[in-house]
Amino acid sequence: EVVMTQSPATLSVSPGERATLSCRASQSISSNLAWYQQKPGQAPRLLIYDASTRAAGIPARFSGSGSGTEFTLSISSLQPEDFVVYYCQQYDNWPPWTFGQGTKVEIK
Amino acid sequence: QLQLQESGPGLAKPSETLSLICTVSGGSISSNSDHWGWIRQAPGKGLEWIATVYFTGRNYYNPSLESRVSISVDTSKNQLSLNLRSPTAADTAIYYCARHEGPSNVFIPYYFDYWGQGTLVTVSS
Repeated sequence: EVVMTQSPATLSVSPGERATLSCRASQSISSNLAWYQQKPGQAPRLLIYDASTRAAGIPARFSGSGSGTEFTLSISSLQPEDFVVYYCQQYDNWPPWTFGQGTKVEIK
Repeated sequence: QLQLQESGPGLAKPSETLSLICTVSGGSISSNSDHWGWIRQAPGKGLEWIATVYFTGRNYYNPSLESRVSISVDTSKNQLSLNLRSPTAADTAIYYCARHEGPSNVFIPYYFDYWGQGTLVTVSS
């Protein structure tokens, strides 16, 4: 099973600033990685797939990068609605499809 | 617009079978390119993939749950279902159904692009 590790668990950032979230895979997963955003009381929403491709309707301030075992989700200018939880998920070696434990972005 | 809606018992008793249904609207569960999955989230915790199914019945299970779960589709009702046998308090979670999407030219499930709102199931006697 591929273990996904996200860091930090909580990221404190000021509105308008840039946020950088990390996701590490326990083995190489090429670019087979997705990012999700989850707001309180809602289902996750797909942000990024194939490590760097934005899903339909996702604002350009969200970008993904990385390959192999190290991946990054960047949010260029944090808006109030961006202070929520983010998850990464691998789809290179399955089953199982596995998620990271999440990073909470909070207001500094 | 594709929509998914979960339904479940709300409260399940230990050692009975927990049954969930997901109704798909705005699209066909028999679509050649689509798989359908279940993911759960324990209170305050992260996401755990449970199972995925293709309309032909081909399925995939999380090894950690495989001995207790079964997933199926009812194409006539455009529904997928999940059964979890002998649930315990550790199975208390929000259960989501989702479209498990992948490249259109390769019918392999990769990421989850449409999600239902989720249904909370509490396991308690």
